[in-house]
Amino acid sequence: TQLLEQSPQFLSIQEGENLTVYCNSSSVFSSLQWYRQEPGEGPVLLVTVVTGGEVKKLKRLTFQFGDARKDSSLHITAAQPGDTGLYLCAGDTDSNYQLIWGAGTKLIIKP
Amino acid sequence: DAGITQSPRHKVTETGTPVTLRCHQTENHRYMYWYRQDPGHGLRLIHYSYGVKDTDKGEVSDGYSVSRSKTEDFLLTLESATSSQTSVYFCAISETDGAGNTIYFGEGSWLTVV
Repeated sequence: TQLLEQSPQFLSIQEGENLTVYCNSSSVFSSLQWYRQEPGEGPVLLVTVVTGGEVKKLKRLTFQFGDARKDSSLHITAAQPGDTGLYLCAGDTDSNYQLIWGAGTKLIIKP
Repeated sequence: DAGITQSPRHKVTETGTPVTLRCHQTENHRYMYWYRQDPGHGLRLIHYSYGVKDTDKGEVSDGYSVSRSKTEDFLLTLESATSSQTSVYFCAISETDGAGNTIYFGEGSWLTVV
């Protein structure tokens, strides 16, 4: 069974602080995606990383794919209350168009 | 916007009754999915479809059935609803490009079984 472990499960920090969310697996993925979900809505894609070692930036969010394509991280610089939400990672194994999902990190940024 | 509409958005039903959730897409995507989302479990795949009348089971398919008679509609049926099926249900489609397989979700259907 392929697993994607996400940590931490819950994080509550003050506005302006930095944070990192991790997504780890023993499986190799052809790509890895990060989604953000706000209450009452479906998850929305933030970014896809494809190449081992790849780094992508989306404003204050930095996403990195591990060299071996088994893990990924999301770093937020100077977090803002608008960053509050559930962050999900998902790995693509090229199998039946299905993704392997992490359980999510619930992030709360306090003003 | 991947053009996905779910209905109903909210429903309360009694234990033992059948319930059908509908997913409608407007962009002719081949692959469609039904997920449920529960605290501590993340997103779990119930069933998926890879074409009209072509469906397959996901990891939590017991107690659920699906049908896809048209490309645009994917129906999820709870044959006899139980309290353990109280959850948020998301329909999704997938698109494939150079970056791989990307999932786009509907807005969700909140189901409460009492």
